[in-house]
Amino acid sequence: KNEVEQSPQNLTAQEGEFITINCSYSVGISALHWLQQHPGGGIVSLFMLSSGKKKHGRLIATINIQEKHSSLHITASHPRDSAVYICAVKVIQGAQKLVFGQGTRMTINP
Amino acid sequence: ETGVTQTPRHLVMGMTNKKSLKCEQHLGHNAMYWYKQSAKKPLELMFVYNFKEQTENNSVPSRFSPECPNSSHLFLHLHTLQPEDSALYLCASQKAGGPNTGELFFGEGSRLTVL
Repeated sequence: KNEVEQSPQNLTAQEGEFITINCSYSVGISALHWLQQHPGGGIVSLFMLSSGKKKHGRLIATINIQEKHSSLHITASHPRDSAVYICAVKVIQGAQKLVFGQGTRMTINP
Repeated sequence: ETGVTQTPRHLVMGMTNKKSLKCEQHLGHNAMYWYKQSAKKPLELMFVYNFKEQTENNSVPSRFSPECPNSSHLFLHLHTLQPEDSALYLCASQKAGGPNTGELFFGEGSRLTVL
């Protein structure tokens, strides 16, 4: 079992739908990253958070440290949001090592 | 455009070839990383450099040899690779310092195919 688990692994939705991607982890962390990877391979950092909630445009990320759980929400989803969304945690004991989830492949249909 | 540039974007090599991947950033970051992404597997950390010094080697085989001549450049030298080394190799940089260091900036990746 991975230290970082994401759900769902695959997601298909219609344009305009509200999307939630979940990330659960089993280790102590100092921070959690949400990343977006487009088909070409490049990765963009969406959020880095260690508590509470952050919002950027139509994206919202929340984290519950006690429950070891984070969610990424996308409001008014659009086909251009189609990508793989990756959760990664910075392990407290692991220097600068990040542990990655397997990613959630999301497709938004027009 | 993240400010981290990787070249080449695609590379095909034979098992006896020697090639290098290059990563460059002019963001003023002092931590640089190599990650490997194989099909249907999570990203795996390979190496970490802080202020040009290697601080992590995640049990990577010696056929992968990193080099960091300065804080802006990172290389991954490849020699006698195996077909299972075919993957997307991603470079990332970060402004390091303290336990809760900052946002990661990734390059577009170098897709390597070993024949």
